Amino acid sequence: KNQVEQSPQSLIILEGKNCTLQCNYTVSPFSNLRWYKQDTGRGPVSLTIMTFSENTKSNGRYTATLDADTKQSSLHITASQLSDSASYICVVSANSGYALNFGKGTSLLVTP
Amino acid sequence: KAGVTQTPRYLIKTRGQQVTLSCSPISGHRSVSWYQQTPGQGLQFLFEYFSETQRNKGNFPGRFSGRQFSNSRSEMNVSTLELGDSALYLCASSFWGSTADTQYFGPGTRLTVL
Repeated sequence: KNQVEQSPQSLIILEGKNCTLQCNYTVSPFSNLRWYKQDTGRGPVSLTIMTFSENTKSNGRYTATLDADTKQSSLHITASQLSDSASYICVVSANSGYALNFGKGTSLLVTP
Repeated sequence: KAGVTQTPRYLIKTRGQQVTLSCSPISGHRSVSWYQQTPGQGLQFLFEYFSETQRNKGNFPGRFSGRQFSNSRSEMNVSTLELGDSALYLCASSFWGSTADTQYFGPGTRLTVL
């Protein structure tokens, strides 16, 4: 069964600190992995997308990594800001049909 | 360029009623997908429409249905509402609707069933 597990479920960090969110998946055959940021009361916004051959992708202070062998991805946030407070969702697509597998997200709170 | 819009933003219904939600995609996008988001289950895929045809469907009962119009606008209908249908309903649009396409989400419709 295709699954996407995210950890931690929630995280609180001080403004200016770095943090790393994890995503482990069992989706096969793998097509791509995407990280979304969802602010409270808004729809998700795509941060990065990675295919099998990519192992790092950056978007400003956000850097996603992918290890297709171990089926793990991480999202690293550098020098966190209060605006980074949001839910971060990992979505893994299978390379067969239209199959989107969603993690339940990590809720990040950045405090002053 | 205007983003994805959803109406209404908030809705309160009682059990047994039906509800229709609307989604206007980004201009030029032909694919519209619908999702249900709850704290316990996270995001779950409902269905995807492309050029007025339902191409893909998630594992939801037949009470959940949708349609897409020739201008790519889409509606989602839920009949015989149950308490468990309380959720944030999100729609997303993209050019082709493939999983490699970037989906742009609307702000969602918050449905509360009493």
